[in-house]
Amino acid sequence: QLQLQESGPGLVKPSETLSLTCTVSGGSISSSSYYWGWIRQPPGKGLEWIGSIHYSGSTYYNSSLKSRVTISVDTSKNQFSLKLSSVTAADTAVYYCARHTVPTVDYWGQGTLVTVSS
Amino acid sequence: QLVLTQSPSASASLGASVKLTCTLSSGHSRYAIAWHQQQPEKGPRYLMKLNSDGSHSKGDGIPDRFSGSSSGAERYLTISSLQSEDEADYYCQTWGTGIWVFGGGTKLTVL
Repeated sequence: QLQLQESGPGLVKPSETLSLTCTVSGGSISSSSYYWGWIRQPPGKGLEWIGSIHYSGSTYYNSSLKSRVTISVDTSKNQFSLKLSSVTAADTAVYYCARHTVPTVDYWGQGTLVTVSS
Repeated sequence: QLVLTQSPSASASLGASVKLTCTLSSGHSRYAIAWHQQQPEKGPRYLMKLNSDGSHSKGDGIPDRFSGSSSGAERYLTISSLQSEDEADYYCQTWGTGIWVFGGGTKLTVL
């Protein structure tokens, strides 16, 4: 059974960079059929797609966040990562990593709350 | 622009059936979507992929009570024999030329 697990700091200061890693188990991140991505959910709000990466390195980003987002993949560790720079309180959210196909998101991590506060 | 529209809320009685709607924006009526369930204080769970012809394929362990159908630009999720644990937020989601898009979600209350 495929499992995804987010890890990283739960508290980030304003203007700093949020960094999260997703570890994939029960399957290979190097499958050509899938993308691996990040989705967030501010408290009490809906889901927002952040961006996705293919193991080959090709990336897609939400245009509203593109200038601040970098997603990378480490196939040797079966992991992928998110960096979001210049964070503000508006970036406080539960961050989920997920497996994507076209067109679906079909596996989710359990999510990790990241709070932006000084 | 690819947009998914959902009603913010719905309600139905325990044991009854409910049909939730997700509407694709103009020009995108043939797109397949996915439905996801998010129970209170939990992460989302993939329910199914739903094609424009109404055919659908469910995720692992999704009960037969959950089914999907389509009509034009509308995509439906029907839940029959409602149980208390079906009270949740339901999101539709699709993909369009390098972006994954979510609807705003429907909060289902089981009375």
